[in-house]
Amino acid sequence: DGGITQSPKYLFRKEGQNVTLSCEQNLNHDAMYWYRQDPGQGLRLIYYSQIVNDFQKGDIAEGYSVSREKKESFPLTVTSAQKNPTAFYLCASSIVSRSMYNEQFFGPGTRLTVL
Amino acid sequence: GENVEQHPSTLSVQEGDSAVIKCTYSDSASNYFPWYKQELGKRPQLIIDIRSNVGEKKDQRIAVTLNKTAKHFSLHITETQPEDSAVYFCAAIGVRNNNDMRFGAGTRLTVKP
Repeated sequence: DGGITQSPKYLFRKEGQNVTLSCEQNLNHDAMYWYRQDPGQGLRLIYYSQIVNDFQKGDIAEGYSVSREKKESFPLTVTSAQKNPTAFYLCASSIVSRSMYNEQFFGPGTRLTVL
Repeated sequence: GENVEQHPSTLSVQEGDSAVIKCTYSDSASNYFPWYKQELGKRPQLIIDIRSNVGEKKDQRIAVTLNKTAKHFSLHITETQPEDSAVYFCAAIGVRNNNDMRFGAGTRLTVKP
């Protein structure tokens, strides 16, 4: 299960607090992604980055922020503006190529609970 | 953008029976369709994928079929075993870029011994 890691595994936050979720990969992948997973729903894309110092909003970016200062790292900050942050957060990475067949490799996830 | 729908949301089968999960997609330009398996509390892992120039692909007990005209693809698991119990997600690559993967809502498969 190595290659892409997330920490912490469980995270509790009080309302009104910002919190940052860590994602690190040693697969030399250029692209990294953050997804949110809610019960009974598929994975919804929050943000993605195809290269250092660049990232794009996904479908549900409101209330979240990211940075990509290093190729290996793509931290996600859940801000107090996110109205319903309790969820399971998955980070993923993939190569970037002209081919459209880019498998995404997932981290183990962080379960965030807002108290 | 791409929209992926997946059915059924839950599926229960007896050990040894077959299981079929179906997905439809909206963007005719999509041409990569992976299937992920997520066991309870674990990360999704790719189990099989298919490209638009192929109609069917098989890997042991797992097969995927693709109908580009109808814009649907299906996962077939034969001779199911209890360890096949998991949530299965289909996905399709959207058009915004070749890393914009859209997922179905998932199917919770339970294989009863």
